[in-house]
Amino acid sequence: EAQVTQNPRYLITVTGKKLTVTCSQNMNHEYMSWYRQDPGLGLRQIYYSMNVEVTDKGDVPEGYKVSRKEKRNFPLILESPSPNQTSLYFCASNFPGDTQYFGPGTRLTVL
Amino acid sequence: ILNVEQSPQSLHVQEGDSTNFTCSFPSSNFYALHWYRWETAKSPEALFVMTLNGDEKKKGRISATLNTKEGYSYLYIKGSQPEDSATYLCALTGNQFYFGTGTSLTVIP
Repeated sequence: EAQVTQNPRYLITVTGKKLTVTCSQNMNHEYMSWYRQDPGLGLRQIYYSMNVEVTDKGDVPEGYKVSRKEKRNFPLILESPSPNQTSLYFCASNFPGDTQYFGPGTRLTVL
Repeated sequence: ILNVEQSPQSLHVQEGDSTNFTCSFPSSNFYALHWYRWETAKSPEALFVMTLNGDEKKKGRISATLNTKEGYSYLYIKGSQPEDSATYLCALTGNQFYFGTGTSLTVIP
């Protein structure tokens, strides 16, 4: 089954404790993206990657890191999480110019 | 950052009514316009991708049109059903995706 998976689905952590949210796709998509969704602000792109070892900042990259060492994986790293990073996070992947397929979302709470 | 606006922000309609909403975007630098349907507690699901001025797409009772010269797209739902209740997102794309804040549709049985 073609899908985008994210782990964990839910996470409660404390300020400053490094965390990684994994994202994996099995559709051989070149493009992968991370978004955060906050009430009233819609989906905002954090980082995106057009292929292995190619990553670019989206609209809200501050406080986040990503890496793309393999085509299928695109982890999101929060080196020192803060409460303003409490949000719902989505990973997505797509072929260039085509529609995006979204993962199930990760709800992160930073205390 | 490209400004993608959707209106109205929310909409309540009776079952059986037809409805439509708008996605507005800068007409310059256009590459593609996407529509997504997003149900509560789920992930956004793709409805349409449109690239050409005058494009019209249809999927069941849902259709969309695109005007790249004036910078807007309409999404139409004919004969709304309660299962159509969701947030409808549009996104403008190049290398990045720029999403609007969505139109929340509630269909009242």
